[in-house]
Amino acid sequence: DAGITQSPRYKITETGRQVTLMCHQTWSHSYMFWYRQDLGHGLRLIYYSAAADITDKGEVPDGYVVSRSKTENFPLTLESATRSQTSVYFCASSVQGSYEQYFGPGTRLTVT
Amino acid sequence: TQLLEQSPQFLSIQEGENLTVYCNSSSVFSSLQWYRQEPGEGPVLLVTVVTGGEVKKLKRLTFQFGDARKDSSLHITAAQPGDTGLYLCAGARVMGNKLVFGAGTILRVKS
Repeated sequence: DAGITQSPRYKITETGRQVTLMCHQTWSHSYMFWYRQDLGHGLRLIYYSAAADITDKGEVPDGYVVSRSKTENFPLTLESATRSQTSVYFCASSVQGSYEQYFGPGTRLTVT
Repeated sequence: TQLLEQSPQFLSIQEGENLTVYCNSSSVFSSLQWYRQEPGEGPVLLVTVVTGGEVKKLKRLTFQFGDARKDSSLHITAAQPGDTGLYLCAGARVMGNKLVFGAGTILRVKS
């Protein structure tokens, strides 16, 4: 039972580079979410998806792009990384109609 | 400005003490959840409360949802070092599957 996995777990990149964070879930949950976690801010929603090919912006979407061609995958791309995007990124999933979310282990991203 | 305000932000106590963490908002939520997060890991759901005034117990943890569904509390009895972690409350709005998270309470229980 793999659940929800994220890769890479750690990433260091330079300002201006494109970087993609991967998220994969094995439960066939319809909803998937991307959050960033920063000290003092808790978890802030970046993007979410209600189903394959359906995505929508969250609270802090600027500088990020998502896609969801398959139910199980929800990659997050930083098109041109900035230092302010240094953070820990969490992917989560939930069953439609339920607010209970299941989180991956996170990706710690550092932009130098 | 956080939609959900958690207090205290940080709590350091001795093993065996009791504590309460608060989660407050001016908004009404259809349900409220508590998560616990350990270093290097993602948050793990502890409980969901749905009905105003609802009280749920999970071993030494007691969760309460306010009557007006705007606030919640988490009470831990006889805290143990294993309770150490970041506690997050999250509120569900009426529409959609989205959650709003509080900034969290860091709990440290010393042995």
